[in-house]
Amino acid sequence: QVFLQESGPGLVKPSGTVSLTCSVSGDSIRGSSYYWGWIRQSPGKGLEWIGSAFHDGTSFYNPSLDSRSTVSADTSKNQFFLRLYLATAADTAVYYCARQGYYYDGSGKKRGWFDTWGQGALVTVSS
Amino acid sequence: DIEMIQSPSSLSASVGDRVIITCRASQSIGNWLAWYQQKPGKAPKLLIYKASSLENGVPSRFSGSGSGTEFTLTISGLRPDDIGTYSCQQYQDSGLTFGGGTKVEI
Repeated sequence: QVFLQESGPGLVKPSGTVSLTCSVSGDSIRGSSYYWGWIRQSPGKGLEWIGSAFHDGTSFYNPSLDSRSTVSADTSKNQFFLRLYLATAADTAVYYCARQGYYYDGSGKKRGWFDTWGQGALVTVSS
Repeated sequence: DIEMIQSPSSLSASVGDRVIITCRASQSIGNWLAWYQQKPGKAPKLLIYKASSLENGVPSRFSGSGSGTEFTLTISGLRPDDIGTYSCQQYQDSGLTFGGGTKVEI
C-alpha cells in the first residue's frame, strides 16, 4: 500500500517561500511510471493543481502559478518537494501531495488522475 | 484553461436516494475525467477515472458516465457514509483543472 506524507513549516511570512516535502512509502519514485504532484485547497474553496514532476526531472505547472513554483524530486530519499515563492495571503491553503496516474493517447504519455493522496498540510501566510 | 462547472453546488437527500451530480467542461475533454470524494477535514479520495472506470475498492453504488463536455456521477442508494464533497477533474488539457465541488448532505 502506498502512503504519502506532507511536512514543512505551517507558517510563512508574506513574500517568503512555501516549502513542503512529500515522503513516499510503498512505491519507489525512481522506479515508478507515475507522476508526483501537488494540489492545494484554500479555505472553503475548490481544489487547485499546482504542479507535477517525473523522476527524470521533468516538471509541469499550472500556468497561473508557473512563474512562482518549483516541483522536484530526490529519488535517493524517495521524496518530492514543492517550493512556492513570493507567497501572499492568497496562498494560505491546505497543500496535498499525490501520486498521479497516466495514460496514453495519440501524442504519447500524458498525466492523469490522482490515485493516492497525502493527508494534507495547512500552510498559513501571515506576518 | 478548461473550466469545469459542477451542479448543483450542494444537495440534501435521504438515505437510499439516487443522487446525480453533473460536471460540464468548457470544451470537449473526451472521457478524460475523474471524480473524487472528500470528507470534512480529509484528503480527496479517487472514485472514478476515465469518466466511468471504478477505482479499486470503491463501492459499486458509485458510477460515472458521459463524454465530451457533460458528465455525471451517480450514487445509487445513498448511505450515511457518503456525505461529503464530490469534485470532478479534467486531465485532457495539460493545465489540469477541478470543478468547484458538490456538497452532499443527508
